[in-house]
Amino acid sequence: EADIYQTPRYLVIGTGKKITLECSQTMGHDKMYWYQQDPGMELHLIHYSYGVNSTEKGDLSSESTVSRIRTEHFPLTLESARPSHTSQYLCASSTRTGVGYTFGSGTRLTVV
Amino acid sequence: AQSVTQLDSQVPVFEEAPVELRCNYSSSVSVYLFWYVQYPNQGLQLLLKYLSGSTLVKGINGFEAEFNKSQTSFHLRKPSVHISDTAEYFCAVSDLKSSNAGNMLTFGGGTRLMVKP
Repeated sequence: EADIYQTPRYLVIGTGKKITLECSQTMGHDKMYWYQQDPGMELHLIHYSYGVNSTEKGDLSSESTVSRIRTEHFPLTLESARPSHTSQYLCASSTRTGVGYTFGSGTRLTVV
Repeated sequence: AQSVTQLDSQVPVFEEAPVELRCNYSSSVSVYLFWYVQYPNQGLQLLLKYLSGSTLVKGINGFEAEFNKSQTSFHLRKPSVHISDTAEYFCAVSDLKSSNAGNMLTFGGGTRLMVKP
């Protein structure tokens, strides 16, 4: 069973709309991550968090924002969606001292 | 800084044939190494990992990988593939720094394994 949950799985939305992609984990992991995956497969880290009230930008510049008010919850928000935001978004988590990540099933976003 | 190179973006292979997916890394410190698999419209699932000890690591679904420190490689192998192995495979490396920034994974660009009947 999945220990990290992403909703929605698929989303089609119009340009200019505000959207929030949800990510929750039940493992008590301190660290959480958001990746954007382009059609060519490559994963790009866009945000990460070391714990509550900690957020950092990743390697790929993104117009999205994140928050970490609770350990288990790491939502990603786009204030004004554009077609260039069309992508698959993957959430992951890891322990503070553990190794490797646990991934959610992803959200496939299409902006029309 | 660490980096990961997956030398083949696509690997076509016939069913029941052996396969090797290549991964090379660079890092200035000791590392942990991982292989993940991604099936269509899914997230990434851990196949196997090397943390220490034996350089030959066995994972799920009959896959194995060998850590070669001198060649900085961590190639993934399976002696006989099935149609169901068709997926994308990602190699990843994590440094052994003990700071808060430790455990950050760096991913390769992925290899698409296409198993043909």
